[in-house]
Amino acid sequence: GQNIDQPTEMTATEGAIVQINCTYQTSGFNGLFWYQQHAGEAPTFLSYNVLDGLEEKGRFSSFLSRSKGYSYLLLKELQMKDSASYLCAVSDSNYQLIWGAGTKLIIKP
Amino acid sequence: ETGVTQTPRHLVMGMTNKKSLKCEQHLGHNAMYWYKQSAKKPLELMFVYSLEERVENNSVPSRFSPECPNSSHLFLHLHTLQPEDSALYLCASSQDWTGGPETQYFGPGTRLLVL
Repeated sequence: GQNIDQPTEMTATEGAIVQINCTYQTSGFNGLFWYQQHAGEAPTFLSYNVLDGLEEKGRFSSFLSRSKGYSYLLLKELQMKDSASYLCAVSDSNYQLIWGAGTKLIIKP
Repeated sequence: ETGVTQTPRHLVMGMTNKKSLKCEQHLGHNAMYWYKQSAKKPLELMFVYSLEERVENNSVPSRFSPECPNSSHLFLHLHTLQPEDSALYLCASSQDWTGGPETQYFGPGTRLLVL
């Protein structure tokens, strides 16, 4: 079966760095997405990785290792507004998105 | 504001009621999606429409009935729902459904409670 694993919840301190991991087992791979979802709001697109390596976008970076079936989202200089759920999703061989259950990130002052 | 709107934002209904959820996208996209989001579970894809044609129907019970009258509007008609159908229903759109990874743009969702 197809499976996406990510931690249910993480806590970090304002100003610090946090890494949210995502491992996947899917039938085929056509890229990995990260989305951010604030409570009661729409998921919004953060990043897309299809090649191995690190993609940096401001305070957020996303890393992919296809051989390990592994990705992480790195958030630097954490702000209170970064408190949200972070969803990992993989595009499989049919370009269907397979979603993880999301990681709820709690930022403490 | 992502360019995808959903109404109503909240809905409480009894098991014998009939109601409809509405989604509208202002992005000029050709594909639209309905998802179910339950607490601590992955997003479940329910239906996909491409150019107003249904292209995916992931074993969704017949008490959920989608309708796509044009590429900008998507409805989800609900009837005789069960309490376990209580969830957040998200609508999304993407440029196309033509065989390539597409970034999806989501609406804020309808929080549904079935009593």
